[in-house]
Amino acid sequence: DPKIIQKPKYLVAVTGSEKILICEQYLGHNAMYWYRQSAKKPLEFMFSYSYQKLMDNQTASSRFQPQSSKKNHLDLQITALKPDDSATYFCASSQDVRAETLYFGSGTRLTVL
Amino acid sequence: GDQVEQSPSALSLHEGTGSALRCNFTTTMRAVQWFRKNSRGSLINLFYLASGTKENGRLKSAFDSKERYSTLHIRDAQLEDSGTYFCAADTGGYKVVFGSGTRLLVSP
Repeated sequence: DPKIIQKPKYLVAVTGSEKILICEQYLGHNAMYWYRQSAKKPLEFMFSYSYQKLMDNQTASSRFQPQSSKKNHLDLQITALKPDDSATYFCASSQDVRAETLYFGSGTRLTVL
Repeated sequence: GDQVEQSPSALSLHEGTGSALRCNFTTTMRAVQWFRKNSRGSLINLFYLASGTKENGRLKSAFDSKERYSTLHIRDAQLEDSGTYFCAADTGGYKVVFGSGTRLLVSP
């Protein structure tokens, strides 16, 4: 059984709309992350959270907003979607935020038309 | 700027042979992890190293923070080893930075 659940697996959206990517982890971890992988680019760090607090944000745009309603949830809200936002978004977690093994979900592939 | 340089970008091996993947870092990193992307697209953690070497079956990894590199050695390659391998380095902050990946193809 997957321990990090990302929903949906595939998502198609129109330009200008808003979507929420869901991530839940059942590993009992205290830290969660979002990464993005665009076509032919390395995995790109977006956010890190520890105990539901933002620790690092490398996303230039405020259109990307993580939301953590529980310690094991870290959703990603994306507003005013653009075609350049098309990518696979990966959620990850680790026991704690520093120097720990990362575990990844299977990703949400977002396509913005 | 780019902090992790991974090479080669692609690698072809015959079954039973071996080779090494390498990541060079532009700054001193606290730790390195190696991942393989499986057929579902999930990233599977292979190794976590803060120093030294680790071995697991036909895979062996080394990390030298002072010399700013890490390697992943594959020996006796099997068909199921095919896939994309990534290194990822802990910068010492609250993020891990990934290399661009090595696409490995093992053929009979």
